Amino acid sequence: LAKTTQPISMDSYEGQEVNITCSHNNIATNDYITWYQQFPSQGPRFIIQGYKTKVTNEVASLFIPADRKSSTLSLPRVSLSDTAVYYCLVGIYNQGGKLIFGQGTELSVKP
Amino acid sequence: GAVVSQHPSWVICKSGTSVKIECRSLDFQATTMFWYRQFPKQSLMLMATSNEGSKATYEQGVEKDKFLINHASLTLSTLTVTSAHPEDSSFYICSAREAPGANVLTFGAGSRLTVL
Repeated sequence: LAKTTQPISMDSYEGQEVNITCSHNNIATNDYITWYQQFPSQGPRFIIQGYKTKVTNEVASLFIPADRKSSTLSLPRVSLSDTAVYYCLVGIYNQGGKLIFGQGTELSVKP
Repeated sequence: GAVVSQHPSWVICKSGTSVKIECRSLDFQATTMFWYRQFPKQSLMLMATSNEGSKATYEQGVEKDKFLINHASLTLSTLTVTSAHPEDSSFYICSAREAPGANVLTFGAGSRLTVL
């Protein structure tokens, strides 16, 4: 399973765009990249998933370069409620594939 | 969307007792569920993979006799912490894939266990 490396923490202010980069140098051909958000004392919540290039949904964008050795989660115009831990996971889910969590990035949004 | 429900959301027990945590997929069938534990300020650690109708697969270092997992139906997996001790106090989270081969895991809200 590919190991991921993220910044331990990031600070931002309301209204700013936040970009969190994750390194996954050993990503395999069949691996997808998935980001989850976790609030204290809650289970992780799916944010976005991609395989290559760019993916956008109503809450975030995910940028994946051609070599797929890293990915960047982009949160537009963050608010205080975006303060959470963000996890980047890499792996395959088919055939019982399991997910191993890295350390995550603790994002703190200030007023 | 898919919903995974855990019960209880929190439990306090005395040292030496056993505690059962249930994980249910409410609107889908899950042949595989995953159990994680999380200590304060730490990431989630995968404990085991629960397989419907067969034995669970435990991660290295996780005592299978300590953490009993049963996946008796396609919508229910249970984790029993046997002879609990204060060091077992943690946040336990289960997850499941919405469908076989689905690329997204849905997580339960977690169960906070405190062992006195």
